[in-house]
Amino acid sequence: DGGITQSPKYLFRKEGQNVTLSCEQNLNHDAMYWYRQDPGQGLRLIYYSQIVNDFQKGDIAEGYSVSREKKESFPLTVTSAQKNPTAFYLCASSNRGFDGYTFGSGTRLTVV
Amino acid sequence: GIQVEQSPPDLILQEGANSTLRCNFSDSVNNLQWFHQNPWGQLINLFYIPSGTKQNGRLSATTVATERYSLLYISSSQTTDSGVYFCAVAPSGSARQLTFGSGTQLTVLP
Repeated sequence: DGGITQSPKYLFRKEGQNVTLSCEQNLNHDAMYWYRQDPGQGLRLIYYSQIVNDFQKGDIAEGYSVSREKKESFPLTVTSAQKNPTAFYLCASSNRGFDGYTFGSGTRLTVV
Repeated sequence: GIQVEQSPPDLILQEGANSTLRCNFSDSVNNLQWFHQNPWGQLINLFYIPSGTKQNGRLSATTVATERYSLLYISSSQTTDSGVYFCAVAPSGSARQLTFGSGTQLTVLP
């Protein structure tokens, strides 16, 4: 079945460490997106990519970095510069014809 | 940027009741979606509906783009309908990246 796989589901990070969240899709979608969700709130856009080797900052890109070397993969790195990284992170993709987003099941990141 | 307001913020229903959720947005859009987030955090795409009306079983949605609002109708609600419902939009001329509302928390009691 086609879909988006995010890993790991749960991630614990010590302060000062960088961590990378994985997002892989087999839907042959061109565009991919990363969102952050804090408790009781909506989603906020971190980064998005319309094509391979190109990506754009969203509303809250500070302290995050991404790469898009393959169409299927859009990993997100949460750097030590991100002051409050504890959150739920969701990856999504969409196709060129566009009939909406498909979301992965998310990664819960906790700083300990 | 575009503003998205959802109402009501919280809704409690008895099983079998009907409900209407509203989404107002501040600019013209080329994308509007309704999502259901289950208790485990998974976001399920309910409707892609930048304009017009669609129905899927007990759920239906209407977007009146000229008046900048969308409605999600849930009929004969079930306990499995509980969760958070999000409206998300992308302004016309954008690359279709979505801006989310703050959601409606729906609780359906048995």
